Amino acid sequence: EVQLLESGGGLVQPGGSLRLSCAASGFTFSSYAMGWVRQAPGKGLEWVSAISGSGGSSYYADSVKGRFTISRDNSKNTLYLQMNSLRAEDSAVYYCAKGFGGVIVTDAFDIWGQGTMVTVSS
Amino acid sequence: QSALTQPASVSGSPGQSITISCTGTSSDVGRYNYVSWYQQHPGKAPKLMIYEVSNRPSGVSNRFSGSKSGNTASLTISGLQAADEADYYCTSYTSNSTVVFGGGTKLTVL
Repeated sequence: EVQLLESGGGLVQPGGSLRLSCAASGFTFSSYAMGWVRQAPGKGLEWVSAISGSGGSSYYADSVKGRFTISRDNSKNTLYLQMNSLRAEDSAVYYCAKGFGGVIVTDAFDIWGQGTMVTVSS
Repeated sequence: QSALTQPASVSGSPGQSITISCTGTSSDVGRYNYVSWYQQHPGKAPKLMIYEVSNRPSGVSNRFSGSKSGNTASLTISGLQAADEADYYCTSYTSNSTVVFGGGTKLTVL
């Protein structure tokens, strides 16, 4: 069974850092692009970042560029999101998602984790 | 990158068909055939319903269909069922090599 399990969320002060992890299973991890999508409480979905299967290409939303870094360890089947200089507006549920295998890295996501909550507050 | 424009809500009766629009620009929806649609039930993770404008992933009912004309994409649900009541989001690849979501549409089955 294909599964994604996020971890690492929690409460952090403004300006602080947090690293999210996403453990993947049930598919050949290195063959697929992966990404992060977030959802603030009561709000819509927002695309955050994506990375190619090899990890050689990565893409970011303007709202997080320069503060967040996406990476992956294909030997551990794990995706990461390093979040620095966190702001209150970064508070959201962060979903890890698997690329469906299209031509481009930033195409659709066909498998999603259950999400991990990040709260940025003093 | 501005969010794609979706109606805040749509409604329909069981058995009817509804269409949700998703309007972007010539830098996203109008330029690429990389439009996707997601369904999200309350408290749940999103589910991919349509990718690359009109393709359905395995396991998605053929009651769901997608199309595009110019800068506007559309999701049509035919034979509406109570289980279809959810939030629906469109996305598009953009000229900045990023992805933009629509604001979401709440579907109510009357």
